Amino acid sequence: GENVEQHPSTLSVQEGDSAVIKCTYSDSASNYFPWYKQELGKRPQLIIDIRSNVGEKKDQRIAVTLNKTAKHFSLHITETQPEDSAVYFCEPRWGSGNTPLVFGKGTRLSVIA
Amino acid sequence: NAGVTQTPKFRILKIGQSMTLQCTQDMNHNYMYWYRQDPGMGLKLIYYSVGAGITDKGEVPNGYNVSRSTTEDFPLRLELAAPSQTSVYFCATRRGGGADTQYFGPGTRLTVL
Repeated sequence: GENVEQHPSTLSVQEGDSAVIKCTYSDSASNYFPWYKQELGKRPQLIIDIRSNVGEKKDQRIAVTLNKTAKHFSLHITETQPEDSAVYFCEPRWGSGNTPLVFGKGTRLSVIA
Repeated sequence: NAGVTQTPKFRILKIGQSMTLQCTQDMNHNYMYWYRQDPGMGLKLIYYSVGAGITDKGEVPNGYNVSRSTTEDFPLRLELAAPSQTSVYFCATRRGGGADTQYFGPGTRLTVL
């Protein structure tokens, strides 16, 4: 099964600064790499994803980069705002597989105004 | 189109009581999942199903049971509730068969006293 490590577990940044969260996985067959955001008291929701044939994907202030050789992918948030404060989870997987899904343990991001 | 719905939203159980957490989806998704999330922690998979009539254990199945008689419904049964089962329970679905998004229900907050 997939072993997933996510770092850091907590991250505090000043408003306007950038934040980077890294997810390392073990299964070389993984080909789909989503990031979820969970605001306090809410459900996790997908914010960005990337497939293995792409090295980087950007959506306004958020981006995801993938290094398949090193088996890690990262979430980048630029110009952070207070509403970016949340817990972020990665969930690397083999998209066509029936195996259980495994999440990283989460990163609590605090954006200080 | 309600997406993924869960009932109840909140519940307090006494030790030894039983209950069923309901999860219903109208997205015609094949895959359904039950997760628990303890305070300040990540998501742990309890059970999952890749289609009606098929269920399998996740990381933390002890003390729980599931069934999947229809595509739409995936109830989670707690027998002999224990304080260790105090948690927020999320149901999630995805279409399956590819690199697709997981959609989460709003969650059920369960307290066992």
